[in-house]
Amino acid sequence: KQEVTQIPAALSVPEGENLVLNCSFTDSAIYNLQWFRQDPGKGLTSLLLIQSSQREQTSGRLNASLDKSSGRSTLYIAASQPGDSATYLCAVTSEGGSEKLVFGKGTKLTVNP
Amino acid sequence: DTEVTQTPKHLVMGMTNKKSLKCEQHMGHRAMYWYKQKAKKPPELMFVYSYEKLSINESVPSRFSPECPNSSLLNLHLHALQPEDSALYLCASSQAPGRQLNYGYTFGSGTRLTVV
Repeated sequence: KQEVTQIPAALSVPEGENLVLNCSFTDSAIYNLQWFRQDPGKGLTSLLLIQSSQREQTSGRLNASLDKSSGRSTLYIAASQPGDSATYLCAVTSEGGSEKLVFGKGTKLTVNP
Repeated sequence: DTEVTQTPKHLVMGMTNKKSLKCEQHMGHRAMYWYKQKAKKPPELMFVYSYEKLSINESVPSRFSPECPNSSLLNLHLHALQPEDSALYLCASSQAPGRQLNYGYTFGSGTRLTVV
């Protein structure tokens, strides 16, 4: 059974700092990994999607890497801003025909002005 | 149009009420999903529709009844809910069964349901 873990559970940083969020998964047989952002009480916004054959994806100040064999992904946020404050969720789609998206519990990020 | 639209945004209902949640997308996606999210928890899958047919039911109680009238619309009918069913209900879509492998999922903004 696929399990996804995100560390840390919460992170507080000053504005302008570069930071890394971590995601690990127990079964390396995945099709893809997706990072989402969720603001309090709101839906999920997709940030980056990495296919299993890819090593990284970039969008603006965000860079996500994937090491499938070791079951790890990182989300790097450069020059953090208060508007980046949210919960960041990592989710994987596993091989085997399942259409399930398995989520981690998320990292709650607070960027202080 | 690259959005999944959910209505209503907020819903308060009594335990004897019947209500429905609505989800709509016009991206041509052929797979649609209902997720339930409790506070400070990750989303949990409830139902999957592929080409308008129910393909996965995650052992959800029958007081939740999904419906997919067409390829753009997904409903969740609610009846005789319990207070513990209060949660954020999220709808998502993907291009086609299996295509989410390449293109991922698009989520709506959710319906905040409170059962009193």
